[in-house]
Amino acid sequence: AQKVTQAQTEISVVEKEDVTLDCVYETRDTTYYLFWYKQPPSGELVFLIRRNSFDEQNEISGRYSWNFQKSTSSFNFTITASQVVDSAVYFCALSEGFSSGSARQLTFGSGTQLTVLP
Amino acid sequence: DAGVTQSPTHLIKTRGQQVTLRCSPKSGHDTVSWYQQALGQGPQFIFQYYEEEERQRGNFPDRFSGHQFPNYSSELNVNALLLGDSALYLCASSLGWSEKLFFGSGTQLSVL
Repeated sequence: AQKVTQAQTEISVVEKEDVTLDCVYETRDTTYYLFWYKQPPSGELVFLIRRNSFDEQNEISGRYSWNFQKSTSSFNFTITASQVVDSAVYFCALSEGFSSGSARQLTFGSGTQLTVLP
Repeated sequence: DAGVTQSPTHLIKTRGQQVTLRCSPKSGHDTVSWYQQALGQGPQFIFQYYEEEERQRGNFPDRFSGHQFPNYSSELNVNALLLGDSALYLCASSLGWSEKLFFGSGTQLSVL
């Protein structure tokens, strides 16, 4: 069965510090997708990135970067030079079941509350 | 371009009552998924609708049911409400088989 673990419940940093959010996943499938979503206080989940299991190329997008390592089943997310507006809950999620045609749902971790202090 | 819209934003019910939540998908999307997010937890998949049929269902009891209309909008119905049903209910839309979901802001349901 699929599982996503975000061991960091809360992280607090001072503005302009770099911060890394950890995500570890479990799946038996060879084909799967990993996601990061951001949930500000408004409640809406905002899509940040999607990675498939065949693409281990790490990516940088502005202040955001992602480190996908299949060998350790990790998909970590780093914010460089954090800002107060980055304060939110961040969720890592997994979608699998593509080989059986049942890939319809996201399995989310429990989230990491990031607070960036001015 | 309107995103995913949900109504109402907040709802208070008492135990044993029934509730209906509504969702309009993002323009051009034909698939709607519903998630339940308890306080301090990640969202949990309830079910997904495509072509007016339930395509997949998570581990939720039959008290949770849904419907999708020809215009792709959707409803989530919960019967015989329990205190434990208090949560944020999120609707997400997507196109066909895409796993990229766009979420609404949710309906906060409180069961007293």
